[in-house]
Amino acid sequence: NAGVTQTPKFRVLKTGQSMTLLCAQDMNHEYMYWYRQDPGMGLRLIHYSVGEGTTAKGEVPDGYNVSRLKKQNFLLGLESAAPSQTSVYFCASSPSGGIIEQFFGPGTRLTVL
Amino acid sequence: AQSVTQLGSHVSVSEGALVLLRCNYSSSVPPYLFWYVQYPNQGLQLLLKYTSAATLVKGINGFEAEFKKSETSFHLTKPSAHMSDAAEYFCAVSEVLTGNQFYFGTGTSLTVIP
Repeated sequence: NAGVTQTPKFRVLKTGQSMTLLCAQDMNHEYMYWYRQDPGMGLRLIHYSVGEGTTAKGEVPDGYNVSRLKKQNFLLGLESAAPSQTSVYFCASSPSGGIIEQFFGPGTRLTVL
Repeated sequence: AQSVTQLGSHVSVSEGALVLLRCNYSSSVPPYLFWYVQYPNQGLQLLLKYTSAATLVKGINGFEAEFKKSETSFHLTKPSAHMSDAAEYFCAVSEVLTGNQFYFGTGTSLTVIP
């Protein structure tokens, strides 16, 4: 099993450009999450999904959109990138919430110039 | 919403010394508690978790953590630090009732001095 994979690993954007980050998991997990990691701020939840076709906002959703059309994939979109979105983005999945830990992908390093 | 406080953003210990990383949570209802480790340029890996079965939890690589309800704490310890323990450590909580979201602390960077 590959676990949780993220595409791409690195990306540089110019302000105003758009892009989509792809997260894929092969563990048949129901729950999927997108976080951003910034120095001194830990991980902050952007959006999450508790099942195929569902999405919900996390702590810092502004400027991002998500879709969960297939159970194994969770897409994070930036419609008009801003320098404040320069960050490392992590995807995670879990078979359920609460007692079960989350499994993390390797991350995507995004720079917005 | 939950909040998680990790005291000390940077901790340095000598090789062979005790490692103590602190974590406090805010909920009046004991949540589920987790410690994750992140090595440079990698994702997060689970070290251990508390799910109300036992207050002293043992994890991988010789780490353990003790849940103390009276102190709302879940501190991470290791008796003897190894060079390979140098990494970023995150405490996280999950609410018992909803369980949909995890709340992460801001992390503690552990340096091991040879």
